[in-house]
Amino acid sequence: TQLLEQSPQFLSIQEGENLTVYCNSSSVFSSLQWYRQEPGEGPVLLVTVVTGGEVKKLKRLTFQFGDARKDSSLHITAAQTGDTGLYLCAGADSWGKLQFGAGTQVVVTP
Amino acid sequence: KAGVTQTPRYLIKTRGQQVTLSCSPISGHRSVSWYQQTPGQGLQFLFEYFSETQRNKGNFPGRFSGRQFSNSRSEMNVSTLELGDSALYLCASSSDLLGSYNEQFFGPGTRLTVL
Repeated sequence: TQLLEQSPQFLSIQEGENLTVYCNSSSVFSSLQWYRQEPGEGPVLLVTVVTGGEVKKLKRLTFQFGDARKDSSLHITAAQTGDTGLYLCAGADSWGKLQFGAGTQVVVTP
Repeated sequence: KAGVTQTPRYLIKTRGQQVTLSCSPISGHRSVSWYQQTPGQGLQFLFEYFSETQRNKGNFPGRFSGRQFSNSRSEMNVSTLELGDSALYLCASSSDLLGSYNEQFFGPGTRLTVL
């Protein structure tokens, strides 16, 4: 079983600050996905990273896949209240089967 | 395209009863997966159906079952409900096309409360 650990579990920051969320495993993944879930809704896919060392940017969000494809990070620059949510990472094995992390709850206050 | 829809959105049941949840995937998606989400355990994979066949299964007891119809719509059934089954049940569909990396498109979920 591939276990994905996310840290921190909870993060509270003020608008305008930066934050980084981490997703780590001892196993290698074929690809890794990041989702954001808002209260009362299902998770929404933000990005998929595939290549070791890959960096993808989505406006103020920067996603990085580790060189060894065992870890990933999500960095948010100048956070806004709309960034509040539960951030989930999910690693896929070679068969495409997904393993989700427990999530990082991010709260951005005005 | 319309997103993934789930019905009902909320359910209240008592211990020992059974429940059936329904999911309609995005048009053209043939893979449907079910997840259970609780504050303590996070998002746990239940099972995946593809072309009416169960393709993957998580570590849940046999009280949890599912099926998929020819139009890709899926149902999940939980029999003999227990208090611990209270959770948000999420359905997700995937295109399963080469290079899609099994990206999941989730519905809003069904909130099940067992009393």
